Amino acid sequence: AQKITQTQPGMFVQEKEAVTLDCTYDTSDPSYGLFWYKQPSSGEMIFLIYQGSYDQQNATEGRYSLNFQKARKSANLVISASQLGDSAMYFCAFVPSSASKIIFGSGTRLSIRP
Amino acid sequence: SQTIHQWPATLVQPVGSPLSLECTVEGTSNPNLYWYRQAAGRGLQLLFYSVGIGQISSEVPQNLSASRPQDRQFILSSKKLLLSDSGFYLCAWREGQKYSPLHFGNGTRLTVT
Repeated sequence: AQKITQTQPGMFVQEKEAVTLDCTYDTSDPSYGLFWYKQPSSGEMIFLIYQGSYDQQNATEGRYSLNFQKARKSANLVISASQLGDSAMYFCAFVPSSASKIIFGSGTRLSIRP
Repeated sequence: SQTIHQWPATLVQPVGSPLSLECTVEGTSNPNLYWYRQAAGRGLQLLFYSVGIGQISSEVPQNLSASRPQDRQFILSSKKLLLSDSGFYLCAWREGQKYSPLHFGNGTRLTVT
């Protein structure tokens, strides 16, 4: 069965530093997609970035980039130059090619210190 | 552009009462629709998803049900709420293509007393 793991329940980072949020997954599918979402305290879920398993390059969206290591089955989110507004829960999510459902990790609570 | 509406935003219901949460999507056709539940400070648990009218896949719940009476309408129901049904309920949609992202509604915070 597919599984997605976020091992960092919480992280504290100084403002303007870069931060890496870990995500590993377990699947036997050759083709799949990976997503990262941000959930501020308001509760809304904000889509940040997507990586396809066959993409040759790591995905980037502004200050967000995805460090995709297929052999290690990891898809870590990197936030450069963190800001106070980056304080939120962050979820990694996985969708296999064979299914319509998207599976979420348990999340990492990121707190940015001024 | 596509939008998703979910209501109500908050709900307080007594144990044993019925539940009906509604979600509608605009600006797209034949979306995949999802209901997730999130306990306080926890991850998202997939409850139901639907790839078409009348097609519902259930992942977990025993006393919850879902229906899709129209293409862009998804309803979460219960005949009798339990205390353990308290949580944050999120409706989401995505296009039918393989790796399209989920787009979420603003959620319903349900407290069962």
